[in-house]
Amino acid sequence: GAVVSQHPSWVICKSGTSVKIECRSLDFQATTMFWYRQFPKQSLMLMATSNEGSKATYEQGVEKDKFLINHASLTLSTLTVTSAHPEDSSFYICSAREGGYSNQPQHFGDGTRLSIL
Amino acid sequence: AQTVTQSQPEMSVQEAETVTLSCTYDTSENNYYLFWYKQPPSRQMILVIRQEAYKQQNATENRFSVNFQKAAKSFSLKISDSQLGDTAMYFCAFMNLPEYGNKLVFGAGTILRVKS
Repeated sequence: GAVVSQHPSWVICKSGTSVKIECRSLDFQATTMFWYRQFPKQSLMLMATSNEGSKATYEQGVEKDKFLINHASLTLSTLTVTSAHPEDSSFYICSAREGGYSNQPQHFGDGTRLSIL
Repeated sequence: AQTVTQSQPEMSVQEAETVTLSCTYDTSENNYYLFWYKQPPSRQMILVIRQEAYKQQNATENRFSVNFQKAAKSFSLKISDSQLGDTAMYFCAFMNLPEYGNKLVFGAGTILRVKS
């Protein structure tokens, strides 16, 4: 089946540093990838839609300069949390959808637990 | 904008019994997709079942089945012969058509605990 790999699974860093999270589709090409944020025992909130070769589309209220998204290839999207602060601590999940068939379900990575000290 | 409502924050079921998780949604569209995802303690999101709105037949995947009532905008999940491994957070999700971005909108989730 379709596999999405997300790395790292857990990261702890000091306030003010930038953190990069990678999302890779291992056995399929993903024209579109999505980035979500999830607080404990809460639902997934879509942060942005990442399209290969173009700028990401951010949801209302998400700071573009804080959460930089790059989708440079059909198998890789990255989310960089710039100048991270404790309030950015959360669980971040990516998903990817196969090719151009837009009715396909999204396949999710295992998530990244980000803790900012 | 579409909304998805899961009115049961937590539920419990005895092993081997049947449980139904409710989900309602609001949309003005006629064609769309509905999903149930499972998130166990490992926090990996696992697709349980999907339903296309233009199909009247309810989707079934082994012990998991849905009751899709389009007019009522209801999409409940029935888990038969519940197993301990079914313990997880379950999310109902709505996906619109490509021209509207194909985004997934999730409900708040239902924590399901299967007891031995």
